[in-house]
Amino acid sequence: DVKVTQSSRYLVKRTGEKVFLECVQDMDHENMFWYRQDPGLGLRLIYFSYDVKMKEKGDIPEGYSVSREKKERFSLILESASTNQTSMYLCASSLSGDGANVLTFGAGSRLTVL
Amino acid sequence: GEDVEQSLFLSVREGDSSVINCTYTDSSSTYLYWYKQEPGAGLQLLTYIFSNMDMKQDQRLTVLLNKKDKHLSLRIADTQTGDSAIYFCAESLLPSGYSTLTFGKGTMLLVSP
Repeated sequence: DVKVTQSSRYLVKRTGEKVFLECVQDMDHENMFWYRQDPGLGLRLIYFSYDVKMKEKGDIPEGYSVSREKKERFSLILESASTNQTSMYLCASSLSGDGANVLTFGAGSRLTVL
Repeated sequence: GEDVEQSLFLSVREGDSSVINCTYTDSSSTYLYWYKQEPGAGLQLLTYIFSNMDMKQDQRLTVLLNKKDKHLSLRIADTQTGDSAIYFCAESLLPSGYSTLTFGKGTMLLVSP
């Protein structure tokens, strides 16, 4: 089975801290994604990547950056965390191809910024 | 732009059928998806349908697609308490590798004994 692992399930950080959320997939998927999930707002795409060292902005990239130095790892970075970034962060990956874009999700990282 | 709408809540009794509805705005959608999220977990794919299909059945799940009305539904037969979860509808405009998924806000299904 494809596995997407998010290293931290729960994090508590202070305003202004730099935060790293790590995501690793073990099935050689080309595509990787970061979403945030908030009650009443559903899932919103922050950043995605189609290949190593490539990144594309999603719908809400402000306040975030990403890094993809290796194919299996996609990191989300909050340079200076703010309280409005308190959320559930979901990483996902998928294969490239001509068929359906089937995303496999990690279990999520719940971030609280105080 | 892309927009996917779902009702927020559905409550059914165990053994009944559940029907979760979704509407989307972009007629260029190539694939439409249903994902399930259980408490404290990420999303898992339930099923998807290609846009040139009207229906897809997989065990207790039936997906109906009405392209004219841009309406997608998920029917769960013989609903069980273990089906209680949030169900997300999603669409993609292009094949994998060239497109992202746009998700609805999710429908919370509550199944009572």
